[in-house]
Amino acid sequence: KNQVEQSPQSLIILEGKNCTLQCNYTVSPFSNLRWYKQDTGRGPVSLTIMTFSENTKSNGRYTATLDADTKQSSLHITASQLSDSASYICVVTPRGSTLGRLYFGRGTQLTVWP
Amino acid sequence: DGGITQSPKYLFRKEGQNVTLSCEQNLNHDAMYWYRQDPGQGLRLIYYSQIVNDFQKGDIAEGYSVSREKKESFPLTVTSAQKNPTAFYLCASSIDGAPNQPQHFGDGTRLSIL
Repeated sequence: KNQVEQSPQSLIILEGKNCTLQCNYTVSPFSNLRWYKQDTGRGPVSLTIMTFSENTKSNGRYTATLDADTKQSSLHITASQLSDSASYICVVTPRGSTLGRLYFGRGTQLTVWP
Repeated sequence: DGGITQSPKYLFRKEGQNVTLSCEQNLNHDAMYWYRQDPGQGLRLIYYSQIVNDFQKGDIAEGYSVSREKKESFPLTVTSAQKNPTAFYLCASSIDGAPNQPQHFGDGTRLSIL
């Protein structure tokens, strides 16, 4: 069973609308949780990082929240733009992680229509 | 500009052939990683390296080999033993592999079988 589950698998919204992507994880204990944006045919780019003691982090129109008690995170995108069309990946680092050990979600594919 | 360069962007392999994917970084990072990305799946770790002349197997190392002769270079060889090599391959690096350090990704190499 994947330890990081994302929903929805795909999402279509109109330009200018807001949306929220979900990430549920079972990795425990964990060190941090990141959200990455991956454009088609490109490598992922880090959007936000939160440690287990943080519950919100913003990066422009992107706001990530974290509830360590329920093991849930969300990424809220405000006033979407066409350039937001991409896959958004939730990544959890276990506490005490050996080098390279990360748990990746399968991503949510977001499409923004004009 | 500093970053990670992967080449080629697209690569085709014949049956029974070994191919090598290039990954170069000028970020002066100690740690480097290779991931495989398949449609609808999260990234899976193939190999990682913390320092020159040292590397460790990840979750799916069978059929792959790496070398780390220089700090800035971490080439991946897909051998003929890898029976299902068609995928998108991503190289990443981080400062020292610590959990709080982000991994920076290249733009990937898409490998296909002829």
